[in-house]
Amino acid sequence: DIQMTQSPSSLSASLGARVTITCRASQTISKFLNWYQQKPGRAPKLLIYAASSLQSGVPSRFSGNESGTDFTLTITSLQPEDFATYYCQQTYAAPSTFGPGTTVDIK
Amino acid sequence: QVQLQESGPGLVKPSQTLSLSCTVSGASINSVAYSWTWIRQRPGEGLEWIGNIRYGTDYNPSLKSRVIISLDTSKNQFSLNLRSVTAADTAVYYCARGVTDYTTGWSWFDPWGQGTLVTVSS
Repeated sequence: DIQMTQSPSSLSASLGARVTITCRASQTISKFLNWYQQKPGRAPKLLIYAASSLQSGVPSRFSGNESGTDFTLTITSLQPEDFATYYCQQTYAAPSTFGPGTTVDIK
Repeated sequence: QVQLQESGPGLVKPSQTLSLSCTVSGASINSVAYSWTWIRQRPGEGLEWIGNIRYGTDYNPSLKSRVIISLDTSKNQFSLNLRSVTAADTAVYYCARGVTDYTTGWSWFDPWGQGTLVTVSS
């Protein structure tokens, strides 16, 4: 299975801050990388697909980037509703696997 | 607007079969454009893909020997059956629609159901 790692596992940030989360794949996965946001007690919500494509309805302060096997999710100007856990997912090879998550909380 | 809703028992005894259904509204599960997926999340842990169904089925090898996913087109539902459960199968189970861009092969899950907690305990 392709292993996905995320860093950091958690971070504290202030409103308006710029936040970057990194996801690394254990092998090449091209652009087969998605990002989800999950709030406590809620289902995950798709933010970014194919590494850098913004899902319809998702604010433009979210963006994704790819460099080899490293992927980043950036949130510019953190808003109150952005405090959540973020997961990356690879769909390059079965079984699809998720990263362990990065929790963003209020500083 | 596509919506998915899981249903089924919240408590299952060890060694028995966990059975869940996912009712889809706003889309037909007969559509060849999508796959229908189950994912679970153990308490305090990350997400684990269980399997999906479209033309056929694909399962996570870690669960393949115990899992069956099926479609009920008359009810626009798909189902998960996981047999011989143990406490390790206690989790929130989500259903989701799998979307694939056939020109690139990229795929993702959207939307997801709200999830249902299944506890395995005697």
